[in-house]
Amino acid sequence: GIQVEQSPPDLILQEGANSTLRCNFSDSVNNLQWFHQNPWGQLINLFYIPSGTKQNGRLSATTVATERYSLLYISSSQTTDSGVYFCAACSGNTGKLIFGQGTTLQVKP
Amino acid sequence: GAVVSQHPSWVICKSGTSVKIECRSLDFQATTMFWYRQFPKQSLMLMATSNEGSKATYEQGVEKDKFLINHASLTLSTLTVTSAHPEDSSFYICSAYSRTTVRDTEAFFGQGTRLTVV
Repeated sequence: GIQVEQSPPDLILQEGANSTLRCNFSDSVNNLQWFHQNPWGQLINLFYIPSGTKQNGRLSATTVATERYSLLYISSSQTTDSGVYFCAACSGNTGKLIFGQGTTLQVKP
Repeated sequence: GAVVSQHPSWVICKSGTSVKIECRSLDFQATTMFWYRQFPKQSLMLMATSNEGSKATYEQGVEKDKFLINHASLTLSTLTVTSAHPEDSSFYICSAYSRTTVRDTEAFFGQGTRLTVV
């Protein structure tokens, strides 16, 4: 099955800094999503982005499907951005989203 | 986006008892739902695919007799943890797609259920 790897595993930023999170996947995908898991465990959908570039406020994402990676950009980070960011991908027709190990982001004031 | 609701949000049960977790799609019909498990400080691991009107399919290493899945309607899937033991304590979370096809479409997740077995 598809393998999903995220980097870095941990990231500490000062408030206001920018960051880039990376997601590599081992196969062609028909679904790639980025999530933010809040302290209560809920997964917040950030982007559905199997290819191309999207932006939502301070967040943007780019997936280069031919090179099998996706990037999540966080600009002007805020303390509320802290938490775990997951990338998940699906290959084929099963609908099974496979998750990476996550990036734990801590934004300090 | 589509809304997926789980109930309960948290549950504490005694060792040896069974616990049922519900996953509902509130504003759409879901022929397929998925169940995941997450241990502390770890990622989400897919447990099984829940298919409306047919048997669930389980990932390798997941005991189907321990984790009973029923998908009796287009808006409800249930996961029953049978004869729960402390090692079953975990965060369980379900997902569904808002379209009939699971391909080329976005998945939405419930808020999760934190199970503690004492």
